[in-house]
Amino acid sequence: EIVMTQSPATLSVSPGERATLSCRASQSVGSNLAWYQQKPGQAPRLLIYGASARATVIPARFSGSGSGTEFTLTISSLQSEDFAVYYCQQYSNWPLTFGPGTKVDIK
Amino acid sequence: QLVQSGAEVKKPGASVKVSCKASGYTFSDYYIHWVRQAPGQGLEWMGIINPSGTSTSYAQKLQGRVTMTRDTSTSTIYMELSSLSSEDTAVYYCATGYCIGTSCYDDALDIWGQGTIVTVSS
Repeated sequence: EIVMTQSPATLSVSPGERATLSCRASQSVGSNLAWYQQKPGQAPRLLIYGASARATVIPARFSGSGSGTEFTLTISSLQSEDFAVYYCQQYSNWPLTFGPGTKVDIK
Repeated sequence: QLVQSGAEVKKPGASVKVSCKASGYTFSDYYIHWVRQAPGQGLEWMGIINPSGTSTSYAQKLQGRVTMTRDTSTSTIYMELSSLSSEDTAVYYCATGYCIGTSCYDDALDIWGQGTIVTVSS
């Protein structure tokens, strides 16, 4: 099973600032990496697939990068609706595995 | 769209069966995943069922307790979990992959059900 880790656990950011979230895989997953946003009481929302491709209707302020074992999600200018928990997930192999999440909250 | 059945309360040792009904797309074309989330915790993949319902793959820790089936006549997918304990208290989601144009990424989860809360308590 591929183990996913994320850092930091919590990121405090002011609106309008940039947020950089990290995700690491215990072995190479190539570009088979997705990012999700989850708000309280809601299902996760797919943001990024293929490590760097934005899903449909996802704003351009969200960008993903990386390959192999190291990945980054960048939110270029945080909006109020972006404060949430973000998960990375590998889909290189079953079982699919998720990182523990990074909570982005208001500074 | 995926619409799940309502909340359940079960006693330890019982089983629960959650349904997930698809609408608005060709149900038989897509793999369906189940993911659960314990209170205040992260996301845990439970398993997957193929479009025809003839093949499944389950998370090792749930092997022997989970069964996923699909009824193509009603476009409904089912997840049954047996021998419940308090550790199975969670929100259970069904989800399917992301498609753009003619390309589909079956394991990047785009369409999610609304979630079904399962509470296990004596």
